[in-house]
Amino acid sequence: AQSVTQLDSQVPVFEEAPVELRCNYSSSVSVYLFWYVQYPNQGLQLLLKYLSGSTLVESINGFEAEFNKSQTSFHLRKPSVHISDTAEYFCAVSDRGSQGNLIFGKGTKLSVKP
Amino acid sequence: DVKVTQSSRYLVKRTGEKVFLECVQDMDHENMFWYRQDPGLGLRLIYFSYDVKMKEKGDIPEGYSVSREKKERFSLILESASTNQTSMYLCASSLRALYGYTFGSGTRLTVV
Repeated sequence: AQSVTQLDSQVPVFEEAPVELRCNYSSSVSVYLFWYVQYPNQGLQLLLKYLSGSTLVESINGFEAEFNKSQTSFHLRKPSVHISDTAEYFCAVSDRGSQGNLIFGKGTKLSVKP
Repeated sequence: DVKVTQSSRYLVKRTGEKVFLECVQDMDHENMFWYRQDPGLGLRLIYFSYDVKMKEKGDIPEGYSVSREKKERFSLILESASTNQTSMYLCASSLRALYGYTFGSGTRLTVV
């Protein structure tokens, strides 16, 4: 069965520092990979996704994630964070052949301090 | 853009009440999902549906039921609300795996 592990439940960083949120998954088949962001008291929003092709994918607000098949990882990075990036981030995986069920990690709370 | 609308942002109900949480999507998605979100536990799947009148149990269906009479609407029912069902409830819809999910804004339910 698939599973997703987000290695850090909380990540505190200072503004303008780089950050990496780690995500590992287990699956024996080809997958699609997603990162979602949840701001306080809101639903989840899609941040970026890997479907195929280039292993590095980017979002419009400066985040990027790299698919590493050999390490079954999809870590999320940003070179310089802002206060407004404070949120909870969820990694998710879906089998390519599935109906559409995503398996979510338990989330990482990113807290950006001034 | 696909919109998923949950009827209430905040809800307070009494123990033993029957509670209906409504979710409507406007993009003809076949797949709809109900999750609850609790601190430290992430998202836990309650029920999902791949088609009208079809439902499947997720990881934590006990104490809940669902209804999908129309493609665009997926209702979550708490038959007899209990305090341990106090939580954030999230509805989502999807077309296929590669598109991921679109989530509603969530309903924060408090059972007193």
